[in-house]
Amino acid sequence: GAVVSQHPSRVICKSGTSVKIECRSLDFQATTMFWYRQFPKQSLMLMATSNEGSKATYEQGVEKDKFLINHASLTLSTLTVTSAHPEDSSFYICSARRQGYNEQFFGPGTRLTVL
Amino acid sequence: LAKTTQPISMDSYEGQEVNITCSHNNIATNDYITWYQQFPSQGPRFIIQGYKTKVTNEVASLFIPADRKSSTLSLPRVSLSDTAVYYCLVGYTDKLIFGTGTRLQVFP
Repeated sequence: GAVVSQHPSRVICKSGTSVKIECRSLDFQATTMFWYRQFPKQSLMLMATSNEGSKATYEQGVEKDKFLINHASLTLSTLTVTSAHPEDSSFYICSARRQGYNEQFFGPGTRLTVL
Repeated sequence: LAKTTQPISMDSYEGQEVNITCSHNNIATNDYITWYQQFPSQGPRFIIQGYKTKVTNEVASLFIPADRKSSTLSLPRVSLSDTAVYYCLVGYTDKLIFGTGTRLQVFP
């Protein structure tokens, strides 16, 4: 139980295009989902907290107009990187907190490469 | 949010017990302590969580002293496949802030 999936697992795009990453909790309902970014050899950096049915809360320094987050249901959150640039190339990871529980469960990550 | 401090790296050999200690001096009353394992290019994997004293599951034990200002993850008889980064986090139902983690290297 408590499986989180991400799609796609890997994406390569041209500079200036937008990329959507999906995060799904497969066997539980997640009232809150989180989006992280991780650069090589570094720790995970929290980007935003997404609550179902409400606007996401972004961490300081994260542009909300560039990283659009939608949490339309209890099992799905999406992150859209708009007008992607090479510096947005990174490993994006989502996590979901099961309703009524404390621990978070992480997705497998999405490797974004912007050419 | 409570800040955590862990050793940057540790080395071990197969079959040995590995103990990774994390300090979290400003842990709040409601905070739980959770450990995650991460392999390269994968999302973190939940290992164990505890509030106080000792917690044990099929892969690890977590020791938490009475003052809860630190915790120790114990991995019994590590294997090469345990080479990974281990993160200690404290929190309750709010967001988790990752520290630097401990890079464990297991040698044959």
